Amino acid sequence: EAGVVQSPRYKIIEKKQPVAFWCNPISGHNTLYWYLQNLGQGPELLIRYENEEAVDDSQLPKDRFSAERLKGVDSTLKIQPAELGDSAVYLCASSLSFSGGEQFFGPGTRLTVL
Amino acid sequence: AQSVTQLGSHVSVSEGALVLLRCNYSSSVPPYLFWYVQYPNQGLQLLLKYTSAATLVKGINGFEAEFKKSETSFHLTKPSAHMSDAAEYFCAVSESKGRRALTFGSGTRLQVQP
Repeated sequence: EAGVVQSPRYKIIEKKQPVAFWCNPISGHNTLYWYLQNLGQGPELLIRYENEEAVDDSQLPKDRFSAERLKGVDSTLKIQPAELGDSAVYLCASSLSFSGGEQFFGPGTRLTVL
Repeated sequence: AQSVTQLGSHVSVSEGALVLLRCNYSSSVPPYLFWYVQYPNQGLQLLLKYTSAATLVKGINGFEAEFKKSETSFHLTKPSAHMSDAAEYFCAVSESKGRRALTFGSGTRLQVQP
């Protein structure tokens, strides 16, 4: 069974540029999560999708961040424009349903903003 | 509101020695508790979880954790450390009802000395 796939694995951009991250969850997983992980910290939830609906986006900075999961499968997280403080690892995770069960994580995208 | 405190950002043990990683939580409702492991440049992998069944939970790779409500703790242990256990370990809490988002601790880096 393939795991959660994320691309790119690494991205270096200059500040004020846009950037997008892509995630393909495990097949059949209805719930998809985007997390932000700063260096030396645990992941922090940005947004959670149930199928194509964003049901928890209270921590997503909506002035510059956006996300979509149009067909309820893969998802894209976008930052426009990027700031120096956005340098971090962006993790995607998925689960069968939002029931307190196991979340499966992808390897993450490491973003460096210069 | 919920939170997790992991005592000790770095723990070093000798190969074959006991591993003890500490986690204390706070939650306004009965919690679900998790331990995740993260190897360099990889996503998080679930080690074990507590979801209100047995208070002593056994996980993968010989790890176990005990839920102690009176102490609001969920410490992770392994009787004998192996070199391959060197990684970052994250404790996480999820409320058993309501928003049920995962809140992670800041992590403990485990070093295993030969």
